[in-house]
Formats: sequence, structure tokens, C-alpha cells
Amino acid sequence: EIVLTQSPGTLSLSPGERATLSCRASQIISSNYLAWYQHRPGQPPRLLIYGASTRATGIPDRFSGGGSGTDFTLTITRLEPEDFAVYYCQQYGSSPGTFGQGTRLEIK
Amino acid sequence: QITLKESGPTVVKPAQTLTLTCTFSGFSLSTFGEGVGWIRQPPGKALEWLALIYWDDDTLHSPSLENRFTIKKDTSKNQVLLTVTNMDPVDTATYYCAHRRPRGIAASTPGYFDFWGQGTLVSVSS
Repeated sequence: EIVLTQSPGTLSLSPGERATLSCRASQIISSNYLAWYQHRPGQPPRLLIYGASTRATGIPDRFSGGGSGTDFTLTITRLEPEDFAVYYCQQYGSSPGTFGQGTRLEIK
Repeated sequence: QITLKESGPTVVKPAQTLTLTCTFSGFSLSTFGEGVGWIRQPPGKALEWLALIYWDDDTLHSPSLENRFTIKKDTSKNQVLLTVTNMDPVDTATYYCAHRRPRGIAASTPGYFDFWGQGTLVSVSS
């Protein structure tokens, strides 16, 4: 089972700033099969990125994904108030399709 | 438009069996590449991938779940069922079902989820 470790656990930033979230895998993720989700309280997770760098339908271009192999990042430029939430990475190349433990992005 | 909705009991007693139903629309689970998964989130904790069923009835399960979780589908009703035996208080969580996006990835992989249900909170308490 691939273990995903996200860092930092909590990130405190102000609106307008840039956020960089990290997701590190215990094994190489084949074909860069890595996704990112945004999870707001009381709502289901929302798909942001798949294939490590492809934005899902309707996702603003201030969200971008990068990385390969075992190290991946989610970058959010110019934070908006609605961006403060918990973010999860998920690998989907091998079973089970594990999630990271999440990064909480909070308003500073 | 794809939609999914979870239903089932909100409270179960320890050692009981839980059955959750995911009713979906906007796609057919008999179409090549399609799949539906279950994910849960205990209060204050992270998302946990549980199980997935494919269009061809093949299934994947998380090996850490000790064979307590079973996933089945009823294609004629557009439903996917998750059964969990021997429920324990640690199984208290919000349970989500989600649609596995079928395109652009190998059909045999767990896949990622592009549409999710709202989730249903299940509490295990005597």
C-alpha cells in the first residue's frame, strides 16, 4: 500500500498570498496518477487536479499541480477567502487508492 | 449531470451489520470503465479509501479493513451497496460514495473521483 505524507499539517496564510502544499509518496506513483481535492466543512470533497497537473473542469487557474515520481505539489496563487479549507492528495495508480492525511489551509 | 446520494441508518449498535446504499444517476455502471467507490471520514480525521466496484463487477478493497467490507452493485436500480460487518465505534464516520472518472486512465486502476455524494454520518453506539 502506498502511503502519502502531506506537509505541512497546517498552513496559515492571508488572502492574496501564495500557498504551496506538498505530498510525498512512499513509492513511485505510476503514470503520475495523483489527484488533489479540496474539502470544505459540511461539503463533499471537490476534485481539483488529476494526473498530477491537469485541472478538473471549472477549477480556476490559480490552482496548479506539479511534480512526479514520489514528490508532488499543489500551488494556489493569490488566495481567495473560499480557498481556506483542507486539501488532500490521492494516488490512484495502485490499489488501494490511498489518501494523504490532509493539509489544513487556514486564514492567518 | 452525474449525481450520487448515500442512504442508510444513522446509528448502529456495536457488532451489528451496516448496509449503505449509493443511488446514482447520469451514468451507467454497465459501461466500460465506470466505477463507484466508497470513502469515509471519521470525525476530525482524514479521508479513508474503502472499496471500489467496476462496471464488470470486479472489486477492490482496502486490505486494512480485515474483510469486513463488501461492495456490490445493482445495475438495474443504479445502486451500489456497501456492507460492513461487526461495526465498532471506530467505524463512526461520514461515509461518501463517489464516481470514478472512466476516461484517460487505465481501466484497472482505482481511479480518482470526479463526483461525490453529500455523505451520510453513521454513528456506532450502544
